[in-house]
Amino acid sequence: GEDVEQSLFLSVREGDSSVINCTYTDSSSTYLYWYKQEPGAGLQLLTYIFSNMDMKQDQRLTVLLNKKDKHLSLRIADTQTGDSAIYFCAERLGGYQKVTFGTGTKLQVIP
Amino acid sequence: EPEVTQTPSHQVTQMGQEVILRCVPISNHLYFYWYRQILGQKVEFLVSFYNNEISEKSEIFDDQFSVERPDGSNFTLKIRSTKLEDSAMYFCASSAWRGGAEVADTQYFGPGTRLTVL
Repeated sequence: GEDVEQSLFLSVREGDSSVINCTYTDSSSTYLYWYKQEPGAGLQLLTYIFSNMDMKQDQRLTVLLNKKDKHLSLRIADTQTGDSAIYFCAERLGGYQKVTFGTGTKLQVIP
Repeated sequence: EPEVTQTPSHQVTQMGQEVILRCVPISNHLYFYWYRQILGQKVEFLVSFYNNEISEKSEIFDDQFSVERPDGSNFTLKIRSTKLEDSAMYFCASSAWRGGAEVADTQYFGPGTRLTVL
């Protein structure tokens, strides 16, 4: 079955870039997502990428996809204290509606 | 910007009681979902719903769970006889018509209902 793994914690200084990594197991994944969860809040969609793309950029966010290694990353440029949150990588297989989430990476931004 | 809303934000119940969690999906969306997140664990898929029937469900979604779209705006999750292990954050999500546009398949989540079973 599908499985999505992430490191649990990342700490960066304000103004630096953050890179959050994710690995997934199923090569049938069609959509790959990044969601953000702030304390006490729901899941906010940040960005998504089709599995036939290598890269997607959206303002401060850059998503890189390496299909061969089944590796997805999210780069946040010029990280701000407001970026402190848990970031979830998620995948959805083609033809299915279920989204499978990773464990989440807690990003701590140090002022 | 349209958003998914959920009520209540926190529900406390006694073991064995029935609970109904409510959601108002984004108005032009046609697919609806429930997920749950037990404290410290991953977000897990429960069920998806389209055209007034379940289209996909996980092994977690057993006979004690049911979903309903009682009217044109609400989507509910009922847990018939709650157990201690049902304590979790329950998220509702919705997505638009899956007609091929990539953005249409993206699921948008509500803020969640924290269910505490005592």
